[in-house]
Amino acid sequence: ELKVEQNPLFLSMQEGKNYTIYCNYSTTSDRLYWYRQDPGKSLESLFVLLSNGAVKQEGRLMASLDTKARLSTLHITAAVHDLSATYFCAVALPISNFGNEKLTFGTGTRLTIIP
Amino acid sequence: KAGVTQTPRYLIKTRGQQVTLSCSPISGHRSVSWYQQTPGQGLQFLFEYFSETQRNKGNFPGRFSGRQFSNSRSEMNVSTLELGDSALYLCASSSPADKISNEQFFGPGTRLTVL
Repeated sequence: ELKVEQNPLFLSMQEGKNYTIYCNYSTTSDRLYWYRQDPGKSLESLFVLLSNGAVKQEGRLMASLDTKARLSTLHITAAVHDLSATYFCAVALPISNFGNEKLTFGTGTRLTIIP
Repeated sequence: KAGVTQTPRYLIKTRGQQVTLSCSPISGHRSVSWYQQTPGQGLQFLFEYFSETQRNKGNFPGRFSGRQFSNSRSEMNVSTLELGDSALYLCASSSPADKISNEQFFGPGTRLTVL
């Protein structure tokens, strides 16, 4: 059974600082997604990582995937208050020959940026 | 393109009742997945439908069921509600034919409260 571990669970950081969220998973997969969730809201897609060594950047966020280590990271550069949210990684595994996938989510990291 | 829509957005039910939630996928998407989010268990996969057939089901009791219609709209039903069914139910749609990404796009969710 696939297990996805995220750490840390909670992260409180000052504006302007850098930090990294880690996502480890237990079964081979080369497809991983990062989502953001604001309180009471749904999941907003941030990054789609589809191969070993994939790196994507958007603004102050950068995500990478190492399929051999079964590790993905979400790096935050010079954090700003607007980045306060809960971040989830999700590992995709195929569930049919049609290309359908099932997502297994990490526990989430609640990020609070302090002014 | 309109996003994934879910109705109703909020529901309050009492134990023992049943409930039906609805999801309309993005136009052209034929796969619909359902997830349950609770503070204790996090985000968990319920089931996935493609071409009106359930392709995979998560580890949930038989009280949880669903179906998909020919227009790809999906419903999920929970019978004999229990307090522990209180959760945010998220629907996601994707296009497995898009083998490059097959990204799942999430709806706003239905917040179910069981009293």
